Amino acid sequence: KQEVTQIPAALSVPEGENLVLNCSFTDSAIYNLQWFRQDPGKGLTSLLLIQSSQREQTSGRLNASLDKSSGRSTLYIAASQPGDSATYLCAVKTGNQFYFGTGTSLTVIP
Amino acid sequence: DTAVSQTPKYLVTQMGNDKSIKCEQNLGHDTMYWYKQDSKKFLKIMFSYNNKELIINETVPNRFSPKSPDKAHLNLHINSLELGDSAVYFCASSQSFRTGVDYGYTFGSGTRLTVV
Repeated sequence: KQEVTQIPAALSVPEGENLVLNCSFTDSAIYNLQWFRQDPGKGLTSLLLIQSSQREQTSGRLNASLDKSSGRSTLYIAASQPGDSATYLCAVKTGNQFYFGTGTSLTVIP
Repeated sequence: DTAVSQTPKYLVTQMGNDKSIKCEQNLGHDTMYWYKQDSKKFLKIMFSYNNKELIINETVPNRFSPKSPDKAHLNLHINSLELGDSAVYFCASSQSFRTGVDYGYTFGSGTRLTVV
């Protein structure tokens, strides 16, 4: 069964810093990997989706990479802003469903 | 133009009651899901329907029964509510694997269920 781990569980950085969030998974037979953002008391907003054949995806200040063979993905956030404060979740699709990590809670300090 | 909408957003009810949560998507997706997010923020799948057919049914109490009248709707009915059912329930949809491309999930905003 697929297991997804996110490190660190929580991260606090000053505004303007670049940062990296990590996601690892145990079964490399994935269809795709998706990064989400969840604000407190809110739903999940999709940030980036990487297909299994792709190595990375970029959207604005966000860049997600995928190394299927090693079971890892990273989400790079450039020039962080207070508005980036949220919980970031990665999910990998294996078989018929997505398996979620436990999330990284990010706080960007003004 | 809400893509995946859930109602109600908040639900407070007493133990033993029966309640339903509704979910509708207007994306034309053919697969819908129910996820439960516990107090530790971990998301776990409960059910998945593809074109009104149940394809995933994880180990959940049989007090939980999904109903899909058509591929745009997936409702969740819960009988005899218990304190441990308190959580946030998320509905999601996706387009099934087609031509080698999968488009990922779109989530609803969640229903916060509190059982007292």
